[in-house]
Amino acid sequence: QVQLVQSGSELKRPGASVTISCKASGYTFTTYSLNWVRQAPGQGLEWMGWININTANPSYAPGFTGRFVFSSDTSVSTAYLHITNLEADDSAIYYCARTLRSGTYNYYYFMDVWGGGTSVTVSS
Amino acid sequence: EFVLTQSPATLSLSPGERATLSCRASQNIHRNLAWYQHKPGQAPRLLIYDASNRATGIPARFSGSGSGTDFTLTISSLDIEDFAVYYCQQRSKWPPLFGQGTKLEIK
Repeated sequence: QVQLVQSGSELKRPGASVTISCKASGYTFTTYSLNWVRQAPGQGLEWMGWININTANPSYAPGFTGRFVFSSDTSVSTAYLHITNLEADDSAIYYCARTLRSGTYNYYYFMDVWGGGTSVTVSS
Repeated sequence: EFVLTQSPATLSLSPGERATLSCRASQNIHRNLAWYQHKPGQAPRLLIYDASNRATGIPARFSGSGSGTDFTLTISSLDIEDFAVYYCQQRSKWPPLFGQGTKLEIK
């Protein structure tokens, strides 16, 4: 079945870096773009940006430029979120989610398949 | 500044009752709106896209309506599994914001 499997929880010190993986299965990885969504503790969902898997071209929402990098490796059907210089405010659950597609039409930014989330805790 | 405002923040209802959740956009977003259900410890679930299209596998008790700036998610008869947080999201304006969510709780 179609699924996105994310890497496990992370505990990091301020200033460190973290990489979250999102492995796709059950569909052709290069056909769909992937989004990243954050949920800070007690807060709502926040769309971080997306990556065109076919071109490997990322796009970032305001507030997620500079320290956040989206990448992908089509050979292993996996997308990555890399965060550098971690701050306490980066503590959150991070989700990858596939762009909704119907036939050949992409409903960009709407998301129909979600990973289970990766918890990142930044604490000294 | 573009904003999506959901109301109410919390809705307390009993199983079997009808739920009506609202999402208001500060500018015209046509029908470019989706609704998601999110339960603690689980991934969000797409319910409705393009204001009124049910996503694959979503029960018929979920329906969406609206266009322009005012949108509604209706759950015709609440099942115990429907108690969760619901978010609207638009894709007409950059960036594709979520609303702040409506918590649907058991009364």
